[in-house]
Amino acid sequence: EAEVAQSPRYKITEKSQAVAFWCDPISGHATLYWYRQILGQGPELLVQFQDESVVDDSQLPKDRFSAERLKGVDSTLKIQPAELGDSAMYLCASSLLDGSYNEQFFGPGTRLTVL
Amino acid sequence: AQKVTQAQTEISVVEKEDVTLDCVYETRDTTYYLFWYKQPPSGELVFLIRRNSFDEQNEISGRYSWNFQKSTSSFNFTITASQVVDSAVYFCALSEALGRDDKIIFGKGTRLHILP
Repeated sequence: EAEVAQSPRYKITEKSQAVAFWCDPISGHATLYWYRQILGQGPELLVQFQDESVVDDSQLPKDRFSAERLKGVDSTLKIQPAELGDSAMYLCASSLLDGSYNEQFFGPGTRLTVL
Repeated sequence: AQKVTQAQTEISVVEKEDVTLDCVYETRDTTYYLFWYKQPPSGELVFLIRRNSFDEQNEISGRYSWNFQKSTSSFNFTITASQVVDSAVYFCALSEALGRDDKIIFGKGTRLHILP
């Protein structure tokens, strides 16, 4: 069964360092999402891609966060510099785009701890 | 604006009891989708159900059932004869759907403990 892949699963870093997360969506899924889930909260959308284009990045803290999906397939989310408040689970999801509503499939997430 | 409220932060029940998780939503759209997801301790989000705003039929899937009532903007989830494996955080979510901006708005979740 096709799955969304994410790596690493766990990342511990010190504040002020740079971190990067990778996501490989299900093959053929044009839409890719990055969510951040702070402990005790529900996931919140950071950025949404349609192929290689950003559709929504209104909640992305652009002073320190960046996301790219250069070839419209896999994606990287970067934080530089990391802050203590960035400790969270980072979830990637993907979906088809065929004109109807399409389910978002979530990856296992990357759990980030900033010390 | 969209909003999902899960008033129950944490629930504990003894195994084999029935338990209902409440969800109330707000949206100005007439077309929208509602979801429930399960998040076990391992962290991944497991899709349970999607309902569109035009389908108010209740649904049953094994021990799980969902009660969608537009009149009260609620989409409650009931687990019958609960089991220890049901212990997880459960999220209710809303999407105003269709088009390019179909982001999902999640509630804060309800942590369910099933005690043996």
